[in-house]
Amino acid sequence: GAVVSQHPSRVICKSGTSVKIECRSLDFQATTMFWYRQFPKQSLMLMATSNEGSKATYEQGVEKDKFLINHASLTLSTLTVTSAHPEDSSFYICSARDSGTSGYEQYFGPGTRLTVT
Amino acid sequence: AQSVTQPDIHITVSEGASLELRCNYSYGATPYLFWYVQSPGQGLQLLLKYFSGDTLVQGIKGFEAEFKRSQSSFNLRKPSVHWSDAAEYFCAVGAGPTGGFKTIFGAGTRLFVKA
Repeated sequence: GAVVSQHPSRVICKSGTSVKIECRSLDFQATTMFWYRQFPKQSLMLMATSNEGSKATYEQGVEKDKFLINHASLTLSTLTVTSAHPEDSSFYICSARDSGTSGYEQYFGPGTRLTVT
Repeated sequence: AQSVTQPDIHITVSEGASLELRCNYSYGATPYLFWYVQSPGQGLQLLLKYFSGDTLVQGIKGFEAEFKRSQSSFNLRKPSVHWSDAAEYFCAVGAGPTGGFKTIFGAGTRLFVKA
């Protein structure tokens, strides 16, 4: 089945530093990937749509300069949290849509837990 | 834009009892509907999905859901709950190509199972 991986699974960083999270589709190509964040005991909030070879589309209220998204290949999207602060601590989940099908299902990665100290 | 409402923040059922989790959606076009389960600190697992066809959908772990267009609902059911079903359940609605394939999640329902 379609598998999406995320790296790292957990990261702790100091306030003011930047952190990069990778999302990979392992056995399919994905022209479109999505990034979500989830606060404790809350739902997933869509942050942005990552499009291969073009700029990401951010949801309302998400700072594009804060959350940099790069989708340089058909199997990799990265989310960089710049100048991280404790309020950026969250669970970040990516998903990918199989470009080779006409289906509407997304495949989710296992998530990355970011803690900013 | 699409939206999802899960009216129950948490539900407690006895092991062996039946379960129904409610989900209502709003979307102007044909909805693509999903139920996911998430254990604490874990990622999402897809339980079942509805794209078209038979409105009663069977999923994994003995779950099923029924799509009712007239009620804009996609409720999840299980006839007999097991203690291992305790988790957070999310209903989600996906857009098609015209909506950029976005998936929007409901707030979730936490299921507690008592012995």
